[in-house]
Amino acid sequence: EAGVTQFPSHSVIEKGQTVTLRCDPISGHDNLYWYRRVMGKEIKFLLHFVKESKQDESGMPNNRFLAERTGGTYSTLKVQPAELEDSGVYFCASSREGSGNTGELFFGEGSRLTVL
Amino acid sequence: LAKTTQPISMDSYEGQEVNITCSHNNIATNDYITWYQQFPSQGPRFIIQGYKTKVTNEVASLFIPADRKSSTLSLPRVSLSDTAVYYCLVGDMKMNRDDKIIFGKGTRLHILP
Repeated sequence: EAGVTQFPSHSVIEKGQTVTLRCDPISGHDNLYWYRRVMGKEIKFLLHFVKESKQDESGMPNNRFLAERTGGTYSTLKVQPAELEDSGVYFCASSREGSGNTGELFFGEGSRLTVL
Repeated sequence: LAKTTQPISMDSYEGQEVNITCSHNNIATNDYITWYQQFPSQGPRFIIQGYKTKVTNEVASLFIPADRKSSTLSLPRVSLSDTAVYYCLVGDMKMNRDDKIIFGKGTRLHILP
């Protein structure tokens, strides 16, 4: 079974540019989460999808961040325009929904974003 | 969401048993206790989860006292490869009501040769 995959693994962009991060959850996992770790800080929740619906997006920093999950499969997280403080590692995680949920989150390797 | 408190860092030697304790005084009735491990440049990885008493798997044991206000992750005979950050999480995860699974600062475990 393939794990959660994220792309790109590392992106370096200039302030004001746009970046789109992609996450492919484990097949059959309806729950998809985005987290972010800024250098030296804790891993912070960004948002949670159940299938294609946003269940909770209270952790999204501001309106420069847009997450989508069309069709309830893969998800994208777009940052536009990027600012210096957006630099960090963005993690995606998935889990099963309902009775199949064991409480375990499966994380990807993360996408490191560097904004210069 | 119950807040957790765990040591910032710990050192141990290869072959030793390591115990990391987490305090969660405000744990709710429906909350489970879950531990994750994270290596540098990787995403967190599930280690073990429990509700009460003791849980053991091929990687670790989790001890939870009757009042559930704390828990102890026990790693038997650690090796250098166990050097990582260990997170204790508390929440109603199995019912999926805890949409925001909160990561604290974690415990940075350093295994010495």
